[in-house]
Formats: sequence, C-alpha cells, structure tokens
Amino acid sequence: DGGITQSPKYLFRKEGQNVTLSCEQNLNHDAMYWYRQDPGQGLRLIYYSQIVNDFQKGDIAEGYSVSREKKESFPLTVTSAQKNPTAFYLCASGWADTQYFGPGTRLTVL
Amino acid sequence: GQQVMQIPQYQHVQEGEDFTTYCNSSTTLSNIQWYKQRPGGHPVFLIQLVKSGEVKKQKRLTFQFGEAKKNSSLHITATQTTDVGTYFCAGPFHSGGGADGLTFGKGTHLIIQP
Repeated sequence: DGGITQSPKYLFRKEGQNVTLSCEQNLNHDAMYWYRQDPGQGLRLIYYSQIVNDFQKGDIAEGYSVSREKKESFPLTVTSAQKNPTAFYLCASGWADTQYFGPGTRLTVL
Repeated sequence: GQQVMQIPQYQHVQEGEDFTTYCNSSTTLSNIQWYKQRPGGHPVFLIQLVKSGEVKKQKRLTFQFGEAKKNSSLHITATQTTDVGTYFCAGPFHSGGGADGLTFGKGTHLIIQP
C-alpha cells in the first residue's frame, strides 16, 4: 500500500524541548518536503530535499533542522530556537513539481 | 521564494451556486498547481497547468492558466456539499520550477449552505 506516513498525528511538548517529527514514503520519490500550516493560512516551505544526503532551506527554516540519510525518510526536528512552534506540520514527496502530502502532525507546545 | 496571492479568503455559497477562486503572481510562473484540503485533512493534488492560456476540466471543476502565466482561476459549477474545503493554488518555490518545493497562496475557504 503506497503512500506517505507521518507520526504521530498529535504531539504535545513542553516549551524548550526539541521534538522530531517522522515522515516516511514508499512512493520511490526522490524529492521530499516539509511545510508548516498555521490556522486559516496557506502552507509555508520549511526545508526540501531533492536527493539523499542533500537538503535546502525554504522560506522559514530558522529553528528547524532536517536529515535525509535514506530515500524513504525525511525527519524534521523542531528545536527550542523556534519561537512559535505550535502548528500543523505537513510532509510531502513528489516529482516534477507535483507533490503528495502525508496526513500531517499537529504539534502543540505548552 | 515567489509570492502567490489568492482571493477571496472566504466564500459562502448556497448549494447549487457556482464558485470561483483567483490566484495571482507578480512573476511569470513555469506552472501552477491546485490543491484541495478538506477540514481537518491534508492537501490533495487536483491539477497542474503548464501552458499559457491552458484550460482543463474535471467534471464540474474548470481550471484556467492566464496568457501571461501570472494568474489562474478555479471555477466550480453547481456546488455540492462534497466541495466544502479550502482550495489552494501553488507555484514553484523557485522561478525555474523543478523539485524545489512550492509557494502556496493562502487559500479560499469554500463554505456551502444547504
């Protein structure tokens, strides 16, 4: 069953803690992406990776970090340096511009 | 990244009425894509437009890409309750396109009153 999985669906963390969001795909896509969505807003690009062991910053990379050690996986770490981390985080994979999104992780920092 | 503006932010319609959302960019886009996000869900790819002046139809949905490749529209004929959600347009994060991610408009929230 092909697709993109993100876990967990809901995540709660205390302020000042780092947290890592999981994203896995079995669509054999080279490119993977992380977006952030705030209530009533569009999606903003955090990081993207076109190939294993390479990634680039998007519009709002400050306070976030990523790794791409495997084609299937693109985890996102929300660090304590991110000033307003509570948001809906969406992972996507794709090719030739078209993207397929995972179900998302709703992160709440208390 | 590039900037993509989308209007209106909210649209209330009676079931059966038509709906249109508009997307504008200050720069020429190599392509434009449309996504739909149901309440509580994730964006789902609808279509990609590449050619100047292109028009594509999917049942009751009509997508247009402007001649200058700077604007686009999505029109839904005779809305149904299943059309409820937020419709986003998106252009390439970098002007050259490629797999560099997307810049999204803020979306139009379609609310349908029975």
